[in-house]
Amino acid sequence: SQQGEEDPQALSIQEGENATMNCSYKTSINNLQWYRQNSGRGLVHLILIRSNEREKHSGRLRVTLDTSKKSSSLLITASRAADTASYFCATDVYTGANSKLTFGKGITLSVRP
Amino acid sequence: SAVISQKPSRDICQRGTSLTIQCQVDSQVTMMFWYRQQPGQSLTLIATANQGSEATYESGFVIDKFPISRPNLTFSTLTVSNMSPEDSSIYLCSGGGGLDTQYFGPGTRLTVL
Repeated sequence: SQQGEEDPQALSIQEGENATMNCSYKTSINNLQWYRQNSGRGLVHLILIRSNEREKHSGRLRVTLDTSKKSSSLLITASRAADTASYFCATDVYTGANSKLTFGKGITLSVRP
Repeated sequence: SAVISQKPSRDICQRGTSLTIQCQVDSQVTMMFWYRQQPGQSLTLIATANQGSEATYESGFVIDKFPISRPNLTFSTLTVSNMSPEDSSIYLCSGGGGLDTQYFGPGTRLTVL
């Protein structure tokens, strides 16, 4: 079953606007990671936020985590055309033997120049 | 951070044949994983590659179809055996995990005719 579910599934904005993407999950996590994927290429790691953290920043990116609601959000400020990509949240769940990431379905972000 | 490379980057294969994908990490990592991403879909974990022991496969994936080796802490291979067109996907390896960031390789785009 899908652990992480992003919404919206697709987002189209104008360059310069902010983009907010949400992720919900079902079980307790060690951490949550956001990734970007450009057109069928490899995944680029954006941010890792641990279960005891509530907010992290990296450049134009801001990630929040609400463990009581089992949700996270990724905010990209002042978006650029180069931000056009698919974005995935992935939850790291410790299974006892080891931990592993479970990915959501992804959000397609289009930034219009 | 870890830099991960994969070979080949893409291949076109005939059904019934096998392809071995190599994954090299530039530093020692505790855990390595193999994922499949079918066209337009999210990532699905195939298996955890364990150093010096048999890989741990996820439900729906078996060793006969996807044999995995991990001879040391920086290298792993995934073989896609007896291929059919349904195996056409992007195959990605990753390293890290646990409480750490999981980094991904650029992927291998496989087309089976």
